[in-house]
Amino acid sequence: DIQMTQSPSLLSASVGDRVTLSCNTSQNIYKYLNWYQQKLGEAPKLLIYNVNSLQTGIPSRFSGSGSGTDFTLSISSLQPEDVATYYCYQYNSGPTFGAGTKLELK
Amino acid sequence: QVQLKESGPGLVQPSQTLSLTCTVSGFSLTSYSVHWVRQRSGKGLEWMGRMWSDGVTSYNSAFTSRLSISRDTSKSQVFLEMNSLQTEDTGTYYCARNSAYYSDGTSYFDYWGQGVMVTVSS
Repeated sequence: DIQMTQSPSLLSASVGDRVTLSCNTSQNIYKYLNWYQQKLGEAPKLLIYNVNSLQTGIPSRFSGSGSGTDFTLSISSLQPEDVATYYCYQYNSGPTFGAGTKLELK
Repeated sequence: QVQLKESGPGLVQPSQTLSLTCTVSGFSLTSYSVHWVRQRSGKGLEWMGRMWSDGVTSYNSAFTSRLSISRDTSKSQVFLEMNSLQTEDTGTYYCARNSAYYSDGTSYFDYWGQGVMVTVSS
């Protein structure tokens, strides 16, 4: 099974900050990585698919990058509505979610 | 419009079987796969298994021995059954639609249900 490690598990940042969330996989997953955002009490929502493709309707301050085993989700200018937990998800083999990064306002 | 809605008992006794239904609308189960995803209380997301559009199922190895996913296409319903429930199975269970599979292998969960909370307790 592919193991996924997200870091940090908790991130505190201020409005307007650029934030970077990391996701590492135990094996090469090529481009088969998506990012989901989950706000408290809500179902997850797709932000990014295939490492760096922005889902329709998602603000352009969100971006994804990486390849192989190392991936990043960036928010260029943090907004209050971005407070949420962010999960990476690989579907190269035996789909797996990362443990999540909880993003809060400082 | 596309909708998914989970339903099932809110309370299940330990060692009993959980039965959940995902009722979908706005698309056909013979054209799209549907997944089940669990979120234990205060924890992260956990992929449980999938009903492919052709009726084939696949499961997370962590659940294989006690999980079964089936469907009734005429009723647009996907079912989850999991036996030998324990208190640690308490959480919210979601069904989610998989997008169309693109020629390059791209896919993602494009629609989710609201989730159903299940408590395992005597």
